[in-house]
Amino acid sequence: EADIYQTPRYLVIGTGKKITLECSQTMGHDKMYWYQQDPGMELHLIHYSYGVNSTEKGDLSSESTVSRIRTEHFPLTLESARPSHTSQYLCASSAVGGHTIYFGEGSWLTVV
Amino acid sequence: GQQLNQSPQSMFIQEGEDVSMNCTSSSIFNTWLWYKQEPGEGPVLLIALYKAGELTSNGRLTAQFGITRKDSFLNISASIPSDVGIYFCAGQDSGGSNYKLTFGKGTLLTVNP
Repeated sequence: EADIYQTPRYLVIGTGKKITLECSQTMGHDKMYWYQQDPGMELHLIHYSYGVNSTEKGDLSSESTVSRIRTEHFPLTLESARPSHTSQYLCASSAVGGHTIYFGEGSWLTVV
Repeated sequence: GQQLNQSPQSMFIQEGEDVSMNCTSSSIFNTWLWYKQEPGEGPVLLIALYKAGELTSNGRLTAQFGITRKDSFLNISASIPSDVGIYFCAGQDSGGSNYKLTFGKGTLLTVNP
């Protein structure tokens, strides 16, 4: 069983607000990821990290930013939220050399 | 980028029936993963396949890694109502970029009791 935690699970915020979605894992995984998923749709990679101080953009362009100061922590930030940012954001991690990616429960963001 | 074709898009079946879904790709993958996602939750890993031709079971679930490395299928036997959810296949390429998965669009499974 994967130990990866996301907070908040659900959030409704106003346009223009800054929001940080938290993600932590206790498995010591070096690789972490953020995926964006609209309801009923496939997952799109928006950010990933190979380890501390390593961050890269994924396949889907996103206005969000990420940081990786500690191995276990990979927060995602939106400086100025817009309604188009409404979506589910899924954090995931995997071990170095490991092919299996484990997901958190997701953060549902609604921007009004 | 790489794309996975997952089919069917949705299935409506009666409890007790067997289910089969598959994914195909124009590219070779070195790992295939199958996930299940329930509403409001993150995907949960069901089965991981690492070798071409590999056949792996997890309870009532069976998945196979196609010998061409371009396809995989998932079977669910004797379905029950709690099997309801979206099933995603995911492939990991063989180009050394083992940090990324390519996901299929999912198969929505509905089981009528």
